[in-house]
Amino acid sequence: EVQLVESGGGLVEPGGSLRLSCAASGFTFSSYSMNWVRQAPGKGLEWVSSISSSSNYIYHADSVKGRFTISRDNAKNSLYLQMNSLRAEDTAVYYCARDPARPYPDYFDYWGQGTLVTVSS
Amino acid sequence: QSVLTQPPSASGTPGQRVTISCSGSSSNIGSNTVDWYQQLPGTAPKLLIYGDNQRPSGVPDRFSGSKSGTSASLAISGLQSEDETDYYCAAWDDSLNGWVFGGGTKLTVL
Repeated sequence: EVQLVESGGGLVEPGGSLRLSCAASGFTFSSYSMNWVRQAPGKGLEWVSSISSSSNYIYHADSVKGRFTISRDNAKNSLYLQMNSLRAEDTAVYYCARDPARPYPDYFDYWGQGTLVTVSS
Repeated sequence: QSVLTQPPSASGTPGQRVTISCSGSSSNIGSNTVDWYQQLPGTAPKLLIYGDNQRPSGVPDRFSGSKSGTSASLAISGLQSEDETDYYCAAWDDSLNGWVFGGGTKLTVL
């Protein structure tokens, strides 16, 4: 069974940092592109970052470029999102999502349950 | 303001057929496939349609997708009360080098 479990969310002050993790199981992690998608309270979905299976291709939304960094460790079946210089508008539930990427960006076939990041003083 | 445009709301009665539109541009829907996600309250989104019109296993054939030019549609036939929730379209954008989503459509079953 495919499972994606996010962790690392919490309350952080503006300007602070946080590192999210997504533990994957039930599939060959190194064969899939992975993504972070967020959802602010009461709002719609917003794509944040993508990373290809071998980390050769990395993309970030303009709203987080220069502040967030996506990475992965295929040996540990884990996806990460390093978030720096956090702002109030980064408050959201952050989901990790799998993309078969056959071989180009394809769709998100499995999602984690999400982890809440709250940026507030 | 979302790159893909969806109506904020849609409604129908049980058994009826409803459609939800998704409008984009040549750099997203016009050149890449469209996917649709269903999100029940308090849960993660679920893949409903991928590749414009493909249903993952387990998704009822009441749900169908189509695309023409820079617009796409999600159709739900035989509307049921459990279909009352939020729906999002998405596509890769070649100009932005990223995924873009519609703002979401809240479907109400009257």
